[in-house]
Amino acid sequence: DAGITQSPRHKVTETGTPVTLRCHQTENHRYMYWYRQDPGHGLRLIHYSYGVKDTDKGEVSDGYSVSRSKTEDFLLTLESATSSQTSVYFCAISAGAGEQYFGPGTRLTVT
Amino acid sequence: KNEVEQSPQNLTAQEGEFITINCSYSVGISALHWLQQHPGGGIVSLFMLSSGKKKHGRLIATINIQEKHSSLHITASHPRDSAVYICAVNRNTGNQFYFGTGTSLTVIP
Repeated sequence: DAGITQSPRHKVTETGTPVTLRCHQTENHRYMYWYRQDPGHGLRLIHYSYGVKDTDKGEVSDGYSVSRSKTEDFLLTLESATSSQTSVYFCAISAGAGEQYFGPGTRLTVT
Repeated sequence: KNEVEQSPQNLTAQEGEFITINCSYSVGISALHWLQQHPGGGIVSLFMLSSGKKKHGRLIATINIQEKHSSLHITASHPRDSAVYICAVNRNTGNQFYFGTGTSLTVIP
């Protein structure tokens, strides 16, 4: 299994609070991705990174920010969580134009 | 409109049946992926295809680049095959992936 961990695995938070999800890899892969998975939508890209301090927006980036200060860590921040951000969040990594390897997911509930 | 469309959305089969899941895409791609997600579980890669056909155990994946279509076949289906199967594509520009909404498969003993 690719070495990808996500933390926390489950979180319940209140509307308006900030939340940070962490993705950690031990594979030294260049590309890292944050997706959300919702019923009827499949996986949708939030943000991705193509190197340290190099990030770009995906199709559903509003309300989210990311940071990548080290190759191994990719952080996703919800500055002020809303109920519409209740979802399962997956981190993924890839070495390039090839397979993606997914983390175990984080289930976030915003009440 | 999604760049990647899968059919059917839901599929129930008896154990032992031959199963086909279809994926169509509308963009130029460098590769197509089939992924598997068990209930409450993580996502694992089954196949990456850029042409032709690949086989792994009871699973077979095919792709027709001209028709922009791929199929995932499961022979002699088993209840442990019950999962969501997701089609995803690498566009041939950039390094982003686009995903279908998945096919939920239930195999009944």
